Amino acid sequence: KAGVTQTPRYLIKTRGQQVTLSCSPISGHRSVSWYQQTPGQGLQFLFEYFSETQRNKGNFPGRFSGRQFSNSRSEMNVSTLELGDSALYLCASSTGAWNEQFFGPGTRLTVL
Amino acid sequence: DQQVKQNSPSLSVQEGRISILNCDYTNSMFDYFLWYKKYPAEGPTFLISISSIKDKNEDGRFTVFLNKSAKHLSLHIVPSQPGDSAVYFCAAISGGGADGLTFGKGTHLIIQP
Repeated sequence: KAGVTQTPRYLIKTRGQQVTLSCSPISGHRSVSWYQQTPGQGLQFLFEYFSETQRNKGNFPGRFSGRQFSNSRSEMNVSTLELGDSALYLCASSTGAWNEQFFGPGTRLTVL
Repeated sequence: DQQVKQNSPSLSVQEGRISILNCDYTNSMFDYFLWYKKYPAEGPTFLISISSIKDKNEDGRFTVFLNKSAKHLSLHIVPSQPGDSAVYFCAAISGGGADGLTFGKGTHLIIQP
């Protein structure tokens, strides 16, 4: 079974731009969660989508948004990028249970 | 304020000995705890978990202990092997998962030959 894939793996943007990251879950998984990892804050939960609906949301500003398509693929969008948005963005998929999350390799975003 | 704390950024253990990784939490609403392992350039991989109604869960070389009164959990790896060298994250969740997984900042375990 193919694992969770994330594209692109690396991205460089400048302040003020927007970015879209993509996550393809494991086949059959309907839940996709997004996390931000930074050296200072560690891994922080952004949001979770289940069957195209945002089910849970972390404590991030509205510049961070996401969506999920009918095939369970998910995209995350960050608008008006700030230097502090530089991070590794991880997505994880599961059938719905939190103890069965499988993580992708992440997208490394650098904001200059 | 960090709700899940891993106070040791790194830990070095000799191959064959026991590795003990510690984690403290402050939120008494957490009812499920997980450990993840992460290699460089890869996403975290689920290792083992424990429900708050238990005090121990074992899976092969890995055992997790939970002390609810102390709000403390630990991961024991016996015996430690070179392939165990990685960053280990402790994570917690409260009922329903409305806040997702709350992670500690990780402990880098180094297994010395």
